[in-house]
Amino acid sequence: NAGVTQTPKFRVLKTGQSMTLLCAQDMNHEYMYWYRQDPGMGLRLIHYSVGEGTTAKGEVPDGYNVSRLKKQNFLLGLESAAPSQTSVYFCASSRSGKSSYEQYFGPGTRLTVT
Amino acid sequence: GESVGLHLPTLSVQEGDNSIINCAYSNSASDYFIWYKQESGKGPQFIIDIRSNMDKRQGQRVTVLLNKTVKHLSLQIAATQPGDSAVYFCAENSGGSNYKLTFGKGTLLTVNP
Repeated sequence: NAGVTQTPKFRVLKTGQSMTLLCAQDMNHEYMYWYRQDPGMGLRLIHYSVGEGTTAKGEVPDGYNVSRLKKQNFLLGLESAAPSQTSVYFCASSRSGKSSYEQYFGPGTRLTVT
Repeated sequence: GESVGLHLPTLSVQEGDNSIINCAYSNSASDYFIWYKQESGKGPQFIIDIRSNMDKRQGQRVTVLLNKTVKHLSLQIAATQPGDSAVYFCAENSGGSNYKLTFGKGTLLTVNP
């Protein structure tokens, strides 16, 4: 099993450009998450999904949109990138229920907005 | 000047020593506390969890202690190895659901051979 995969691994955008980050998991997990990690900070939840076709806002959702059209995929979109969105983005997935805090993370996407 | 938040707490130990990593959590209503390990260039990896009705839980070479009185969590790693070098994050499910986690800022553990 590949676990959680993310594409792309690196990306440089100019201010105002748009892009989509793709996350895929092959563990049949119900829940999926998008986090951002900034230097010296822990992870902050952007958006999450508790099932196919559902999404919800996390701690820092502004400037991002998500979609979960298929159970195994969770897309994160930036419509108009800003320098403040320079960060490392991690996707994660977990089972539903009591053990949903045991999350499996992808390798991350390093995004730079100039 | 630089923000204090940009600098992670660090712990440097000799190979074979025991390591203790500390964390203060914020929400007395959290049910679960979790430790994650993040190696350089990788995503975080689940290590161990403890429920709020416990004060100690042991895994393979790791022990987590929970002190609810002072809202303090610690991770003890026995016989620390070079492969243990990483950033360690504590997390709590402070959002009222098991899946919405609040992460601490992390501690960088460096193991010297």
